[in-house]
Amino acid sequence: NAGVTQTPKFRILKIGQSMTLQCTQDMNHNYMYWYRQDPGMGLKLIYYSVGAGITDKGEVPNGYNVSRSTTEDFPLRLELAAPSQTSVYFCASYGYTFGSGTRLTVV
Amino acid sequence: QKEVEQNSGPLSVPEGAIASLNCTYSDRVSQSFFWYRQYSGKSPELIMSIYSNGDKEDGRFTAQLNKASQYVSLLIRDSQPSDSATYLCAVSYGGATNKLIFGTGTLLAVQP
Repeated sequence: NAGVTQTPKFRILKIGQSMTLQCTQDMNHNYMYWYRQDPGMGLKLIYYSVGAGITDKGEVPNGYNVSRSTTEDFPLRLELAAPSQTSVYFCASYGYTFGSGTRLTVV
Repeated sequence: QKEVEQNSGPLSVPEGAIASLNCTYSDRVSQSFFWYRQYSGKSPELIMSIYSNGDKEDGRFTAQLNKASQYVSLLIRDSQPSDSATYLCAVSYGGATNKLIFGTGTLLAVQP
């Protein structure tokens, strides 16, 4: 039972590139969340989903997109990477289980 | 603007002492409150949740909630060096969606 799995663990992007952060959970939870954490800061909610096909914006959604085609998967898409998106990204599911995080640097 | 405030620390306590971590929140309608422990470079780990006024104990941890004062605290008894971490306070909002607002965390250092 893996819980919440995130890939990749680390990534360096150039400004303007795009990428998808993957998140998969095996607990059959309907609710899933994407947070970002900047150094010395708390976590900020980017997007969340209450079930397959249903997503909504959180506090800091600009520059990101999500989809939820299955209960298990909740990928986060960055279309045009900017230095301000350098952060650690955490995916979480209801029951407040967090994945191990993706450390993203945009240069 | 919903806010959760924590003293950033560091809070330094000797091994075996009680560590007291505090958190205040701004949204009066919040119903659920959580404490997470985060080791450096790791993901947050849920250690306590509390929903009603009063105290909730789990092993060496006690969470205290006072909704009238909009105040949540975490006590760690018999602190161990392995408790050294950042402790994040989180408060739910948005009703059934269970979205969380996090504080910036308090760094706890337990000295052997």
